[in-house]
Order: sequence, then C-alpha cells, then structure tokens
Amino acid sequence: AQSVSQHNHHVILSEAASLELGCNYSYGGTVNLFWYVQYPGQHLQLLLKYFSGDPLVKGIKGFEAEFIKSKFSFNLRKPSVQWSDTAEYFCAVMGVGDYKLSFGAGTTVTVRA
Amino acid sequence: KAGVTQTPRYLIKTRGQQVTLSCSPISGHRSVSWYQQTPGQGLQFLFEYFSETQRNKGNFPGRFSGRQFSNSRSEMNVSTLELGDSALYLCASSFEGEQYFGPGTRLTVT
Repeated sequence: AQSVSQHNHHVILSEAASLELGCNYSYGGTVNLFWYVQYPGQHLQLLLKYFSGDPLVKGIKGFEAEFIKSKFSFNLRKPSVQWSDTAEYFCAVMGVGDYKLSFGAGTTVTVRA
Repeated sequence: KAGVTQTPRYLIKTRGQQVTLSCSPISGHRSVSWYQQTPGQGLQFLFEYFSETQRNKGNFPGRFSGRQFSNSRSEMNVSTLELGDSALYLCASSFEGEQYFGPGTRLTVT
C-alpha cells in the first residue's frame, strides 16, 4: 500500500527565511510526485510535479523540489519565503496507472512578517 | 477555462439521510476523482472515473458511491449518513496526470 509521510506538522518562519519541507513515500513501483498548496480559504492548487527526467523540478511562486529515488524522498524548498506563503502544504504520490493520489498529512507553514 | 465546479458548496443533513454531490470538470477533462478531507484523517481518496467507468476505489464503505455521465460530469452519493461523514468533499479533474481541484462541498451531518 502507498503511504506518504511529511516530516513537520507546523513550521513557523520569518519573512526571507529559507523553507524546506520533507516528504517520504512508500510505494512498490514507479510513481509520479506532487506538491499541492492550500492557501487560507482557497482550494488545493498544484505547486509542482515530478514525472520523470531531471530530479530537480521548479514550480510556481519560486518553489522547487528534489526527487531522490534512493531515499524515496521529494522535499520542497524555497530560498526566501514571503508572508503570502502562509498556507498548508501537501505532498502527494500517484502510482503510475493507479489513478489515485495518496496525500501526506500536510504541513502548516506560518510566515511572520 | 473555467475551473472545476462543485455544487452545492455547503450542505447540512441529518443522520440517516442520503446526499448527492455534484462535480463539473474542466472542459475537455475526462477523468474525475473524489476525495474526503477531514481534520483527523486528512485527504483520502474515494474513487476515480474515466469515460463513465470507475477505474479505482478507495477504502470506504459501500454507502459511498459515485457515477460519471457521458459529458464527464460526476456525482457522488452517500447513503445512511453518519456523524463521521462530516467533511469537505473534493472533486478533481485530471488531464495528462495532473489533478485540478474544485473548492469542495462542506457536508455537515447532525
């Protein structure tokens, strides 16, 4: 069975600090990997995705993530956060041919101005 | 393009009743998935449809069912509602492996 583990439940940062959110997954096959963001009062939005190729992927709003196959990890990073990055972040995995996303528990990120 | 739309946005039902939620995917998207979001269990997959066929189903009781119509619109139904069914129900339409989520239907069971 698939499982996704996000390392932090709640992260509090000051503006301009760097952000890194950990995500590890368990799945016995080829996967596609995603990070979604849910801003307060808004619906889930795709930040970035990895299907194949370069393991370092760039997404919207300055976010990037690195897929490390040997560690079953897909960590999200942003060099300098803004107050507007306050949101809940979800890592998700889809087995190729599965048609379902398995989500981590989510990490709440609070950026203090 | 318009995004994924879900109706109704909010719903209050009583235990034992049934409910039907509706989802209209982004134009051209033929795959629709449903998820349940609760504070305790997080986001959990319910089922996925493509061209009116269910391709995958999550670990939910048979009270949860769904269907997809020829225009790709989808409905999910929950019968004999329980208090624990209170949740945000999210619909997502998919294209080339990316899922785009709607705003959800907030169901409260009293």
